[in-house]
Amino acid sequence: NAGVMQNPRHLVRRRGQEARLRCSPMKGHSHVYWYRQLPEEGLKFMVYLQKENIIDESGMPKERFSAEFPKEGPSILRIQQVVRGDSAAYFCASSPPGGSANNEQFFGPGTRLTVL
Amino acid sequence: AQSVTQLGSHVSVSEGALVLLRCNYSSSVPPYLFWYVQYPNQGLQLLLKYTSAATLVKGINGFEAEFKKSETSFHLTKPSAHMSDAAEYFCAVSLGGALNFGKGTSLLVTP
Repeated sequence: NAGVMQNPRHLVRRRGQEARLRCSPMKGHSHVYWYRQLPEEGLKFMVYLQKENIIDESGMPKERFSAEFPKEGPSILRIQQVVRGDSAAYFCASSPPGGSANNEQFFGPGTRLTVL
Repeated sequence: AQSVTQLGSHVSVSEGALVLLRCNYSSSVPPYLFWYVQYPNQGLQLLLKYTSAATLVKGINGFEAEFKKSETSFHLTKPSAHMSDAAEYFCAVSLGGALNFGKGTSLLVTP
């Protein structure tokens, strides 16, 4: 039973380019969460999605960032016109249907974005 | 809004010694609390979670945590540290959906 898959594991972009991060949840999971980890900081929530719906995007920057979780395929976190401050580790997590607060979130290995 | 505070960004213990990592929470309603561990360049793995069933929660790798409402605490302990316990530990709180994480505590285990 494969865990949460994220790709790429490492991504290098120059300022102004676009970054696309992919997340495939665990089999049977319909809830996806994205978190960002900056150096020397904990993980910060960005967005919570279910299939074709954004449930909570309170942690998403207002500009340049977007996320989707289509009916088919992985969830995508898209960062347009990247800046150096976007350099971070981006983690995806998934949880089973039901969405109760005590559901464990299973984390992927992360994508480490470096903006040159 | 709910939040957690982890006291001590770095903790160092000798192999075989007691591990104590501190976490205090702030929540207007009874929260769900979690401890996760992160090894270098990896994702997070759940150690244990509190869901109001029992105040003393046992997790993986010999870790446990006690929920103390009067102290608003959920400290993580392990009786005897192993070298393999060296990692970053995160306390988190949730009322539904997103997890709110503390800043993490880096555990160093010395021989």
